[in-house]
Amino acid sequence: GMPVEQNPPALSLYEGADSGLRCNFSTTMKSVQWFQQNHRGRLITLFYLAQGTKENGRLKSTFNSKERYSTLHIKDAQLEDSGTYFCAAEADNYAQGLTFGLGTRVSVFP
Amino acid sequence: NSKVIQTPRYLVKGQGQKAKMRCIPEKGHPVVFWYQQNKNNEFKFLINFQNQEVLQQIDMTEKRFSAECPSNSPCSLEIQSSEAGDSALYLCASSPLDRHYAEQFFGPGTRLTVL
Repeated sequence: GMPVEQNPPALSLYEGADSGLRCNFSTTMKSVQWFQQNHRGRLITLFYLAQGTKENGRLKSTFNSKERYSTLHIKDAQLEDSGTYFCAAEADNYAQGLTFGLGTRVSVFP
Repeated sequence: NSKVIQTPRYLVKGQGQKAKMRCIPEKGHPVVFWYQQNKNNEFKFLINFQNQEVLQQIDMTEKRFSAECPSNSPCSLEIQSSEAGDSALYLCASSPLDRHYAEQFFGPGTRLTVL
């Protein structure tokens, strides 16, 4: 299977709703980054985690290396949260670069 | 916010032409990565450098691409003979050389269209 499996592929939310994205890893990863990609292609870093949980405003992310997954939770969704979200994980061999999921297209409706 | 600079933002080439893009990493980051993102959102690692030395590159990069990160100059990635399948967003990222902190900071990308 894919080294990084990201779900769901697409997510539709109404403003104010809560929801989550998940990445499962086929092997143990050392760290994970979550990005939002804007319409011009720019990857905006949301989180970098080597372990545990981080929160930033309405966003919260968890990385469990042992259980091989990471999650991104969006609380009280706003219109500006629309975009494509990617997780990317660092394997043991740092030089190999990040392995990305295929993204989750998030659409927030009023 | 990332301070990685990539130029040009858009590049249009004909098949067989050379396509060159540049990247200035964040100050103090000795490690630079290049990735390709295709229209299906598949990211492919291409090559990375530590200072001026290549750390790792994939087979495709070895054969059709040339890349360098000279001292005191922008890093560059050049496709020697562009093919339609090279149309993609090329992303440069830099990272501090720290085994305990390996966050990568991405530039805005160069969108290449090969006609």
